[in-house]
Amino acid sequence: DGGITQSPKYLFRKEGQNVTLSCEQNLNHDAMYWYRQDPGQGLRLIYYSQIVNDFQKGDIAEGYSVSREKKESFPLTVTSAQKNPTAFYLCASSRTGDGYTDTQYFGPGTRLTVL
Amino acid sequence: AQKVTQAQTEISVVEKEDVTLDCVYETRDTTYYLFWYKQPPSGELVFLIRRNSFDEQNEISGRYSWNFQKSTSSFNFTITASQVVDSAVYFCALSDSGSARQLTFGSGTQLTVLP
Repeated sequence: DGGITQSPKYLFRKEGQNVTLSCEQNLNHDAMYWYRQDPGQGLRLIYYSQIVNDFQKGDIAEGYSVSREKKESFPLTVTSAQKNPTAFYLCASSRTGDGYTDTQYFGPGTRLTVL
Repeated sequence: AQKVTQAQTEISVVEKEDVTLDCVYETRDTTYYLFWYKQPPSGELVFLIRRNSFDEQNEISGRYSWNFQKSTSSFNFTITASQVVDSAVYFCALSDSGSARQLTFGSGTQLTVLP
């Protein structure tokens, strides 16, 4: 079955540690996205990538980093510079993101808690 | 700047009642796209509908219907004969060139359907 997988589902981190969230898709989509969701709020865009080896900052990129070495994978690293990282993180993908709005499909999410 | 407003933070209805979720958007573009997503308690966002700004025809899909009115910048979502399984957070989202075709989400409406 085609879809988007995120791992782990739950992640606990001590302050000062970097952690990496995994996102994989087998939909053959070109574009991938990372969002952050805080309780009672909508989604905010962290980073997005329209093609391999290229990515752009979203609205709240500070304290995060990404890579896009393969079309199928778009991992997100939450660094120690992120002051308030506890949140629900959602990964999405779409066919293309360059001048054409295609529907974004979402993974199941990773809930990160900083202890 | 683009903006999506979902003024209803929480709605509770009794099963079999009809319920309408409001969405008001702001954009300077003449070409834009509107979306609705459902977020059940599991957390994953489920795509419901995509509508472009040139198509004002209302749409019905089973118990779901959408009313798009450019004159009032609204894209409302109605669930007919609601069911307990409809309980979720519903998000309206907008994509236009001002946001580089990225999605801007509303803050969501928590719908609770009581048995």
